[in-house]
Amino acid sequence: DSGVTQTPKHLITATGQRVTLRCSPRSGDLSVYWYQQSLDQGLQFLIQYYNGEERAKGNILERFSAQQFPDLHSELNLSSLELGDSALYFCASSVSGTGFTDTQYFGPGTRLTVL
Amino acid sequence: DAKTTQPPSMDCAEGRAANLPCNHSTISGNEYVYWYRQIHSQGPQYIIHGLKNNETNEMASLIITEDRKSSTLILPHATLRDTAVYYCIGGGGSQGNLIFGKGTKLSVKP
Repeated sequence: DSGVTQTPKHLITATGQRVTLRCSPRSGDLSVYWYQQSLDQGLQFLIQYYNGEERAKGNILERFSAQQFPDLHSELNLSSLELGDSALYFCASSVSGTGFTDTQYFGPGTRLTVL
Repeated sequence: DAKTTQPPSMDCAEGRAANLPCNHSTISGNEYVYWYRQIHSQGPQYIIHGLKNNETNEMASLIITEDRKSSTLILPHATLRDTAVYYCIGGGGSQGNLIFGKGTKLSVKP
C-alpha cells in the first residue's frame, strides 16, 4: 500500500459525458502527478500540482483539467469524453516534486471505460 | 530527458536471482536511475533508485556502471509474485515527471 488513494476504482460512462477522478496523496506529500495509461500509449504524464499550484504540464488534452485543493487532494476532470479516453488513470504523489530526486508513489488507479 | 532501453521480456526460475538490464547511455550527470514495477494493471510500485553508487534495499539491489550508461536491477530470490513489468527510468522529464518506456516483462516460473 503506497498510501495514495484514488476513487473511484472503476468508472463507466458514455461519449460526450464528463467525469471527475479523485486522488488523495500520501500524508506529508505536497506534490500530485496525474498519468494516463492506455494500451497503445503506455504511461503518459498529464499534469503536476504542487501545494495547490500547477507546476508542470505534459500531454494533457484541453478537454481535461485538474486542480489541487487546500487539503492537498486533487481532482482530474475529463469532459466531452471520447472512446479513446478509455484508459487507466494513475495519481502519484511526492514530498516536494522539485526534481529528479523526489520519489513518486503511485495510487491504485481509476479504470475509465467510455462506451 | 534520458531515454532507456530494456529487453521486452525475460524469464526467471523461482528462487533464482533475476537480473534485469537497462541501458541509459544518454543520462546526464544529475539524473537518477529509478526502477518501478507494475503488476498486472496495478499502480506502478517504486523499487529503488540511485545516482552513482550501488544501492540495496529490502526489495532489490541496483548496480550502476561506473560510466552510468547502464544499470542492472537484481531481485535476489525471485518469487512468482515478482512477475510484473519492470520499468527503468533514467532521470525524469524536464519538469520532474517520470518518463516510462515499455519496460521488461519478467515472468517468474516455478
